[in-house]
Amino acid sequence: SQTIHQWPATLVQPVGSPLSLECTVEGTSNPNLYWYRQAAGRGLQLLFYSVGIGQISSEVPQNLSASRPQDRQFILSSKKLLLSDSGFYLCAWSQQTNEKLFFGSGTQLSVL
Amino acid sequence: SQKIEQNSEALNIQEGKTATLTCNYTNYSPAYLQWYRQDPGRGPVFLLLIRENEKEKRKERLKVTFDTTLKQSLFHITASQPADSATYLCALSSTGTASKLTFGTGTRLQVTL
Repeated sequence: SQTIHQWPATLVQPVGSPLSLECTVEGTSNPNLYWYRQAAGRGLQLLFYSVGIGQISSEVPQNLSASRPQDRQFILSSKKLLLSDSGFYLCAWSQQTNEKLFFGSGTQLSVL
Repeated sequence: SQKIEQNSEALNIQEGKTATLTCNYTNYSPAYLQWYRQDPGRGPVFLLLIRENEKEKRKERLKVTFDTTLKQSLFHITASQPADSATYLCALSSTGTASKLTFGTGTRLQVTL
């Protein structure tokens, strides 16, 4: 069966520090991968999606970046965090376009 | 601009009743509409998917309708239980932007005894 792993579960970082969140999927190949962010009391905002290794589409201009170094690995990064980067970050995968998404357990990021 | 609207006010209903949640959209030509459940501090969990050429989809106590003329989807939970209390999100993917699934802000459902 397929599983998605996302870590860490919580993270407290100072403003200006770097960020690296990692997500891996097991039990499938060539998944579509997604990073979403959910601010407190807000909806899910799509940040990045990838349909293959090295293929990244960015949805929102920001100081975040994403990479897909391996088929089932998706990384969200920042060189310098801002206060506004605080939120609940969710990784997700789907087998094909327009199919259901499977979400990870999320990372609660607090930038202080 | 494209917009997905769900009632931001919580829906409070009594156990055993049918809960009906609404999702309205504008400036979309959705190919698929999906409903998810999200519990506090957790990732959303997929419930149902309905395609643009489908009017209704059912799964156990859940029913989704999709009216592309009204630009609206209704999500029903029959015989609701306290365990159904959660936030319910609708999400759309449009033709032409097939890899993007855009979510509404969700409606919180509270089922009381």
